[in-house]
Amino acid sequence: AQRVTQPEKLLSVFKGAPVELKCNYSYSGSPELFWYVQYSRQRLQLLLRHISRESIKGFTADLNKGETSFHLKKPFAQEEDSAMYYCALRGDSNYQLIWGAGTKLIIKP
Amino acid sequence: EAQVTQNPRYLITVTGKKLTVTCSQNMNHEYMSWYRQDPGLGLRQIYYSMNVEVTDKGDVPEGYKVSRKEKRNFPLILESPSPNQTSLYFCASRGQTAPNEKLFFGSGTQLSVL
Repeated sequence: AQRVTQPEKLLSVFKGAPVELKCNYSYSGSPELFWYVQYSRQRLQLLLRHISRESIKGFTADLNKGETSFHLKKPFAQEEDSAMYYCALRGDSNYQLIWGAGTKLIIKP
Repeated sequence: EAQVTQNPRYLITVTGKKLTVTCSQNMNHEYMSWYRQDPGLGLRQIYYSMNVEVTDKGDVPEGYKVSRKEKRNFPLILESPSPNQTSLYFCASRGQTAPNEKLFFGSGTQLSVL
């Protein structure tokens, strides 16, 4: 079965501390993984995708096939990073994304 | 400005009263989709459409209908809303030129069914 698990509903860290939002997936094929972010009163938007191997707003995410994970990391959290983060997997169908339940990240000053 | 527009932003209705949430995109995208967002459940897909007159069920289609008569519009119809359809709804679109092209989301419709 295809599944995305974000084990933390809420993650709270202090400004300047490292952040890691966990994402684990279940998929037998070669996955494509994404992180989407929803800032307060804004639309959901793509943050990054594993295929691009990019760093956006200081965030990176590495696909670990052995651990079936795609954790989102940032070395030094900023207050503006407070948002809802969703991990998503594109599985068998090119057009459907399978979504995790989301993690609410709160950065404390 | 390229965007997905949903209306209304907020809607309160009563059980059984038919309603329509509109969604329009100006990017000439083939693919459009409806999601509902519930606490602890994340985003769940209701219906999607890969092009005009082509629609298909997502994970939670019960109680919903959609239509795709034109490329830009993809309305979500609740023929007889029930309280368990109280949720935050998002419309999204994407071109089909590449499988990993990003989704563009609307700003959401908060629906309350009393």
